[in-house]
Amino acid sequence: GESVGLHLPTLSVQEGDNSIINCAYSNSASDYFIWYKQESGKGPQFIIDIRSNMDKRQGQRVTVLLNKTVKHLSLQIAATQPGDSAVYFCAEIPNFGNEKLTFGTGTRLTIIP
Amino acid sequence: EPEVTQTPSHQVTQMGQEVILRCVPISNHLYFYWYRQILGQKVEFLVSFYNNEISEKSEIFDDQFSVERPDGSNFTLKIRSTKLEDSAMYFCASSWGQGLEISNQPQHFGDGTRLSIL
Repeated sequence: GESVGLHLPTLSVQEGDNSIINCAYSNSASDYFIWYKQESGKGPQFIIDIRSNMDKRQGQRVTVLLNKTVKHLSLQIAATQPGDSAVYFCAEIPNFGNEKLTFGTGTRLTIIP
Repeated sequence: EPEVTQTPSHQVTQMGQEVILRCVPISNHLYFYWYRQILGQKVEFLVSFYNNEISEKSEIFDDQFSVERPDGSNFTLKIRSTKLEDSAMYFCASSWGQGLEISNQPQHFGDGTRLSIL
């Protein structure tokens, strides 16, 4: 069945270093992917998205890479800051015209000062 | 920056009681959603709403659930007879369009209502 999962549940990174959070998906028909950040007591906050016709997209300090061959998505955060500590979710919209986001289980990123 | 707002932030209700969770989506958005997150679990889709009707719902969204857009700004989720297993964070989200329309149109989430059923 369809699933969006994460390789690692926790990740600790020294402040200032780069971090990479990974996500695997199983539905090869998925068209659209989003990374969300969730801080304690808050809702998912949009970070960056990517369509299936792209393999890389960059934002401010963040880069998303999509490898459709192995159905893998990653989020790179450059020069991490204490405020980057949160749970990060990848989410997908499985099919064109479908509206529901399917979320992964999340990775907790901790930035060590 | 515009944001989705939800009220109340925490709702405590006796089992069997009705509860209404309220949301004000971003003002120019056209699509509205409810999701829930049971403690320690994934965020799960409940329902999407467009043009004053439900466009998609999950198997979780049974007859005990309903949604309404009573006016031009509010979007509500009602649970008619709450059960213990309804305890969760409920998130409202909105988007300008669906994922592949025109350009990337992600869903923007509120900070949620924590629903506790006693």
